[in-house]
Order: sequence, then structure tokens, then C-alpha cells
Amino acid sequence: NAGVTQTPKFRILKIGQSMTLQCTQDMNHNYMYWYRQDPGMGLKLIYYSVGAGITDKGEVPNGYNVSRSTTEDFPLRLELAAPSQTSVYFCASSWNGYTFGSGTRLTVV
Amino acid sequence: QKEVEQNSGPLSVPEGAIASLNCTYSDRGSQSFFWYRQYSGKSPELIMSIYSNGDKEDGRFTAQLNKASQYVSLLIRDSQPSDSATYLCAVNNGGAGANSKLTFGKGITLSVRP
Repeated sequence: NAGVTQTPKFRILKIGQSMTLQCTQDMNHNYMYWYRQDPGMGLKLIYYSVGAGITDKGEVPNGYNVSRSTTEDFPLRLELAAPSQTSVYFCASSWNGYTFGSGTRLTVV
Repeated sequence: QKEVEQNSGPLSVPEGAIASLNCTYSDRGSQSFFWYRQYSGKSPELIMSIYSNGDKEDGRFTAQLNKASQYVSLLIRDSQPSDSATYLCAVNNGGAGANSKLTFGKGITLSVRP
């Protein structure tokens, strides 16, 4: 039982580049979330989904997009990377409490 | 803007002592409250949830909730060096129950001195 799997673990992007952060869960959870964590700032919600085909914005959605075509997958897309998107990104799924993935550490230079 | 505030810390306690971590929240409609532990470089893990006023105990951990005063706390008894981590308070933000969106505090770093 893998839980929530995020890839990649680390990535360096140049300003203006695009990338997709992958998130997959094998627990058949309907609820999934993307958070970013900056040093000393806690976790901020970017996007969330309550089931396949349903997504909604969180607190800090600008510069990001998501899709949820299946229950298992919830990828996060960065279209034009900016230095302000340097952060650690956590995906989580939920059934009676959150299970977090191991995170993706992204640096935009 | 719904807010969750935690003492800035860091907090340092000797091994065997009680560590007390506090959290206040702004949304009176919040119904679910959580404490997560995060080791350096790792992802958060749920250690306690509480939904009703009063105390909830689980091993060395006790969560306390006072909805009238809008605070939630975590007590760690017999603190161990392995408890050294950042503790995040989280409060539900829309909806009820453990699957709702959560607003997190900034966290407080606890250091347990051997």
C-alpha cells in the first residue's frame, strides 16, 4: 500500500519554464489537495478536489492549474514558473484525516 | 481571512518534561481541529484530532479544545528527544469532518533536550 506518491522529489526550473507535479494515491480517496509550504509559513492550500472531474481553488491558486480525470491522480501544473513559486509542494488525500505525500522541493531560478 | 495562530517559538523543554503547544483560530464556525507533527525535511503526519470541547488523550499526547475561547492546545507528557519536530495546528475551513479543507498555522518547533 503506497499511500500518496509524489514525483519528482526535487526539481530546478528556469523562469518561464513549465512543469507538472504528479500525485497519485491508491487508497480510493475522493478528497485530494495541493499545498505549498514556505519556510516558517505553514501550509497554504493551492487547489483541491472532492472527486474525479471536480476541482476548486484554494487560498493561493494563481500561477497553477489542476485536473482530476481519475480518482487516483491529481496533477498540479505550473505554466510559467516564477521565483515566487520556489517552495515545497505537498499533495494529500483524505478519508477521515489527511495522508500527505513525501513532497516535491521546487526551485525556480 | 480565516486564521490560525500559533506561538512563534521555538520551544525548548528538558527530557521528561511536559511540552505545551497552543493555537488560536478566528473562525467560530470551525468544527474540526488537528495537530500534525513534521520532522525536518519530511511531510506532516497526523497525531491528534479533536472535535468536541474538553480533553482527548492518546498515549503521551493530550489535545484540549475550548470553542468558546477559540483555542486548541496539545500537551506532550514525558517529552522525548524523538518528539523534537515542528507541530502544526490545523482547523477545518469549510465543511465538517476530517475531509474538509484545512487552514494550517505556521507551526512551532519543539526541541527536547536530553
